[in-house]
Amino acid sequence: AQTVTQSQPEMSVQEAETVTLSCTYDTSESDYYLFWYKQPPSRQMILVIRQEAYKQQNATENRFSVNFQKAAKSFSLKISDSQLGDAAMYFCAPFSGTYKYIFGTGTRLKVLA
Amino acid sequence: DAGVTQSPTHLIKTRGQHVTLRCSPISGHKSVSWYQQVLGQGPQFIFQYYEKEERGRGNFPDRFSARQFPNYSSELNVNALLLGDSALYLCASSLQGEGETQYFGPGTRLLVL
Repeated sequence: AQTVTQSQPEMSVQEAETVTLSCTYDTSESDYYLFWYKQPPSRQMILVIRQEAYKQQNATENRFSVNFQKAAKSFSLKISDSQLGDAAMYFCAPFSGTYKYIFGTGTRLKVLA
Repeated sequence: DAGVTQSPTHLIKTRGQHVTLRCSPISGHKSVSWYQQVLGQGPQFIFQYYEKEERGRGNFPDRFSARQFPNYSSELNVNALLLGDSALYLCASSLQGEGETQYFGPGTRLLVL
């Protein structure tokens, strides 16, 4: 089986500050990928960042970076210099060939002006 | 280039009826996946198609079926609708589907009365 846990239903961050969203997963697969997707209030899901599990180097994408700890099965997302437009639901989603995409329950991020 | 498109945007049905949802992938994308997103939860994987063949199926009853056409567009069919089928149905496309970034459509909001 493959499961994913996002233990923070809601987080708040002050504009321009840094916030970290946590995600842990469990998988029996050896080959998999990890994604963070963002779903703003308009509800169109968009990719934030992608990590290949076989790569040790943490993925970064502008203000977004991950802390990938494979042994601990942890995949947290760090957002630096938070902006009002970052307010959204964030979903962690491991992918494997067997189980396809499994989405977490999401973390609602609020950005305070 | 146009993104993933879905039709209709909203739909109201009554219990026991049948519904067909449609999805057109991004040009050049050969894989389409379908998700059900109940309010307040993360998307749940229903089907993945690649080159008109079913590549994966989530834990959904046989009332749910799908197909992919030669132009890579896709339909999701749900028979004998239940109240619990009320949800946002998301379609996502990718080039081949295995561990790649998925691009999501805006979804079809289905309400079953």
